[in-house]
Amino acid sequence: EDQVTQSPEALRLQEGESSSLNCSYTVSGLRGLFWYRQDPGKGPEFLFTLYSAGEEKEKERLKATLTKKESFLHITAPKPEDSATYLCAVQAPSSNTGKLIFGQGTTLQVKP
Amino acid sequence: ETGVTQSPTHLIKTRGQQVTLRCSSQSGHNTVSWYQQALGQGPQFIFQYYREEENGRGNFPPRFSGLQFPNYSSELNVNALELDDSALYLCASSSKKNTEAFFGQGTRLTVV
Repeated sequence: EDQVTQSPEALRLQEGESSSLNCSYTVSGLRGLFWYRQDPGKGPEFLFTLYSAGEEKEKERLKATLTKKESFLHITAPKPEDSATYLCAVQAPSSNTGKLIFGQGTTLQVKP
Repeated sequence: ETGVTQSPTHLIKTRGQQVTLRCSSQSGHNTVSWYQQALGQGPQFIFQYYREEENGRGNFPPRFSGLQFPNYSSELNVNALELDDSALYLCASSSKKNTEAFFGQGTRLTVV
């Protein structure tokens, strides 16, 4: 069964303290891995798509990487405005749809 | 370019009632997916519509149904509401079935 697990569930950082969020996945063939940011009570905001192992993408203080079993979202020198829940999702070719299978998310709090 | 918009933003219904949620897809997008997100969880796939036809369904009962219109906007209908249906309902649109999905702000449904 296709599955996504994110760790840790919650992370508290001081402003400027870099860290990484983990997304482990089990899927029968990966069509794409997606990272989203979600603020409380809002819809997820698209960040990155990764398609193959070794691929990396960057946006401001965020960098996403992908291996055959997991993805990391690296946050460099975070600011309080980076506080949010970060969701990882995979798309598998098990069905002919764009169905996304989400992890439960990592809630990040950055303190000034 | 307009983003994905959902209405209403909040809704309170009584158990046993029926509800209709609406979604306007992003300009140029012909695929709409609906997700249910319980508090503290990742979104769960309900179903997808592609060119006005249902194109895949998650593990949700038949009382969850939908429509897509010629302008690619969509509705989610839920009959015989149960307390467990209380959640954030998210609509996502994409330009093709298997590409990046962009989410609306969601509709918060509370069933009492």
